Amino acid sequence: DGGITQSPKYLFRKEGQNVTLSCEQNLNHDAMYWYRQDPGQGLRLIYYSQIVNDFQKGDIAEGYSVSREKKESFPLTVTSAQKNPTAFYLCASSPGGLAKNIQYFGAGTRLSVL
Amino acid sequence: AQTVTQSQPEMSVQEAETVTLSCTYDTSESDYYLFWYKQPPSRQMILVIRQEAYKQQNATENRFSVNFQKAAKSFSLKISDSQLGDAAMYFCAYRSAGNDMRFGAGTRLTVKP
Repeated sequence: DGGITQSPKYLFRKEGQNVTLSCEQNLNHDAMYWYRQDPGQGLRLIYYSQIVNDFQKGDIAEGYSVSREKKESFPLTVTSAQKNPTAFYLCASSPGGLAKNIQYFGAGTRLSVL
Repeated sequence: AQTVTQSQPEMSVQEAETVTLSCTYDTSESDYYLFWYKQPPSRQMILVIRQEAYKQQNATENRFSVNFQKAAKSFSLKISDSQLGDAAMYFCAYRSAGNDMRFGAGTRLTVKP
């Protein structure tokens, strides 16, 4: 089945630890995105990538890092510099980076701090 | 900066009835796209409907339709013949060329049997 797979579904981070959230898509989409969702708020963009080996910061990139070594993969690392990492993280992809392109989402990862 | 406002944190509707969710946005752009996404309890975001700003005709997808008022910068979602499966968070989103997608804070819709 074509789609976007995020793993793990639940993740726990100890203080001072870096953790990596996985996002894989088999839709052959060029653009991929990471969003953070907090209660009572809409989605906020962390990072996005429109092409392999290139990515740009979104509104809340501090404390996060990404890589885009393969078209189908866009992992997000939550570093120890992110002081409030507890949130729901959503990965999305779209055929391209144009405004008209629909973004398709994964099922998300819930990150909590121990 | 573009902002999207959903003024109704929660709404409820009786099964088989019609409900309208409100969304307003702020922009100085003339060409942009508007979206409604649904987030059911599974938390996966699903596109409900998309509207191109240059089109005057309101978009429709089965029981879902929009009322797009460009001058008023309003983009409401009407759900007809509401079903139990429509219960979810609904997010309004805006995107213009060269800019990121902007989401509203969401409206939680409850459907009463």
